[in-house]
Amino acid sequence: GQQLNQSPQSMFIQEGEDVSMNCTSSSIFNTWLWCKQDPGEGPVLLIALYKAGELTSNGRLTAQFGITRKDSFLNISASIPSDVGIYFCAGVGYKLSFGAGTTVTVRA
Amino acid sequence: EAQVTQNPRYLITVTGKKLTVTCSQNMNHEYMSWYRQDPGLGLRQIYYSMNVEVTDKGDVPEGYKVSRKEKRNFPLILESPSPNQTSLYFCASSLKAGEILNTEAFFGQGTRLTVV
Repeated sequence: GQQLNQSPQSMFIQEGEDVSMNCTSSSIFNTWLWCKQDPGEGPVLLIALYKAGELTSNGRLTAQFGITRKDSFLNISASIPSDVGIYFCAGVGYKLSFGAGTTVTVRA
Repeated sequence: EAQVTQNPRYLITVTGKKLTVTCSQNMNHEYMSWYRQDPGLGLRQIYYSMNVEVTDKGDVPEGYKVSRKEKRNFPLILESPSPNQTSLYFCASSLKAGEILNTEAFFGQGTRLTVV
């Protein structure tokens, strides 16, 4: 299947910090997605990106579709405790492929 | 309310006993897919469907079957479950594979399956 490399695998962040995570792929995607999974819950789609170079925000979250269409990043600004969870990237080509996830833990 | 509904939410079964996990969406979406989530492996796609009667294998299809006889339903069938299929399963749907208009109604709530 199409391989997505998501990094970092996990991070501990201080409340109030800005953080970044990214996904890279050897394949070109038409759409990039970023999802969040709260502990014990199903994933929720946060942001969808449809054009190379597109920068989209959803509250304190900002994501960009890389210009090469092979990568994307997600920024979280001013972290708060409810940002805890697993963040997944996903690329859509002929099918939808997910990264392995970034586990975020916030230190109060 | 737009939603993707999975049933059951929790299931414990024995090896070899056929089971079906249902997935239904009320948004007239063309694209539906099934994933399993395992620690350290993220979400891996089992099967997907681009439209009615059109299904295709994902990355980990072995041991699973699906059908798409009508647009709203996409059941996942385990003909002879084995312990290595113990996992958390998610169904997802979107208008088309690359067109997600409703970011909230994308994934179902999940089905936690244990095969003993």
